[in-house]
Amino acid sequence: QVQLVQSGAEVKKPGSSVRVSCKASGGTFSRNAITWVRQAPGQGLEWMGRIVPFQDISNVAQKFRDRVTITADKSTGTAYMEASSLRSEDTAVYYCAREIGGSSWDNYYYYYIDVWGKGTTVIVSS
Amino acid sequence: DIQMTQSPSSLSASVGDRITISCRASQGINNYLAWFQQKPGEAPKSLIYAAYSLQGGVPSRFSGSGSGTDFSLTISSLQPEDSATYYCQQYKSNPYTFGQGTRVEIK
Repeated sequence: QVQLVQSGAEVKKPGSSVRVSCKASGGTFSRNAITWVRQAPGQGLEWMGRIVPFQDISNVAQKFRDRVTITADKSTGTAYMEASSLRSEDTAVYYCAREIGGSSWDNYYYYYIDVWGKGTTVIVSS
Repeated sequence: DIQMTQSPSSLSASVGDRITISCRASQGINNYLAWFQQKPGEAPKSLIYAAYSLQGGVPSRFSGSGSGTDFSLTISSLQPEDSATYYCQQYKSNPYTFGQGTRVEIK
């Protein structure tokens, strides 16, 4: 079973940036995608964006598009989520997850989550 | 954005009970629907994808159904370890939104 190992907790000042890493055990993404989901304290899950490393394609939810960058290093099997201009509302646990791809009868290509990382806590506080 | 609405927000049931959680999409999503289980202080765990397909290792007491806009997750015989919050997620259209969650408590 693949495992996703995330980087450690971070404490950041408002206005600064943070980069969270997510390394796939075995060091390869194969043809899977990596997605990022965050969860603010006591709140639900919020999808942020994904990257498909073998295609070098990423897409980020409109809400985060001006502050979040998702990248991947295929040589090490590591994905990254970088968020800038942090504010207190960005305090959350950030999860990466592996997504399995598939295509439907009408050639719609989709990805669904199968494995989650353990999460990285990011606290934004002055 | 597609809105995902779960009901109920919480429920309390006894061990052995059959429970059902509903998830409604604001527009049709075919069967691009996943379910997750999250226990306090833990990462979510994937249960179901494509509305009814069980992820590997998930007990058969979990089942999913539905298509289009209305979906459900059923636990046929509730066990103590099923106490958790359950989320649905659509993966039809960016952003791939989650429901607000349903907390399941064991009486």
